Amino acid sequence: SSELTQDPAVSVALGQTVRITCQGDSLRSYYASWYQQKPGQAPVLVIYGKNNRPSGIPDRFSGSSSGNTASLTITGAQAEDEADYYCNSRDSSGNPNWVFGGGTKLTVL
Amino acid sequence: EVQLVQSGAEVKKPGESLRISCKGSGYSFTSYWISWVRQMPGKGLEWMGRIDPSDSYTNYSPSFQGHVTISADKSISTAYLQWSSLKASDTAMYYCAIPRISSAYNWFDPWGQGTLVTVSS
Repeated sequence: SSELTQDPAVSVALGQTVRITCQGDSLRSYYASWYQQKPGQAPVLVIYGKNNRPSGIPDRFSGSSSGNTASLTITGAQAEDEADYYCNSRDSSGNPNWVFGGGTKLTVL
Repeated sequence: EVQLVQSGAEVKKPGESLRISCKGSGYSFTSYWISWVRQMPGKGLEWMGRIDPSDSYTNYSPSFQGHVTISADKSISTAYLQWSSLKASDTAMYYCAIPRISSAYNWFDPWGQGTLVTVSS
């Protein structure tokens, strides 16, 4: 399968912890990467691999994986974390193709 | 700093052709592939395809194969996405990005700023 499935919307109270999940068969072979996209802006990489954060990404962002599910966790969500989040992985065809999840809209209450 | 800078917004009519560009800087252009990603209005990200600038080898998502062409000119560190006959449904934001590959690790970084393509009669 070449699909990644995400919940369309998730909400979290300010300062609380939220987990955004991504499911797909290819995640059994490849780690997911995660992107934050705010309105009118290009996506920004926030997590890649097992649990790697690019320079400049706050340590409240973390990643994990189990079986066919990858998760992005924000511990102590801030107002500026309100955004769309997309997971991404290679597909499982064996070709160098990639697939994105449908995206999760995170609302910080 | 590795950077991708895309060409400006375009407004075209159905049936017209178009080529948009993505210029890499801060690295050896032939060292990394470049991918294109579509985002239709209010929708999610869709991987379209990629090119290896060192030999111009391409592969496409089945959803885009035959509808667009990805090319590159390594002499000017620029990748292209082109259409021969645009449709209204091609209206979208298009991003270029560098895919990074390390065994089971795959990610896109950096991204270009995006090029908005509007197709309307």
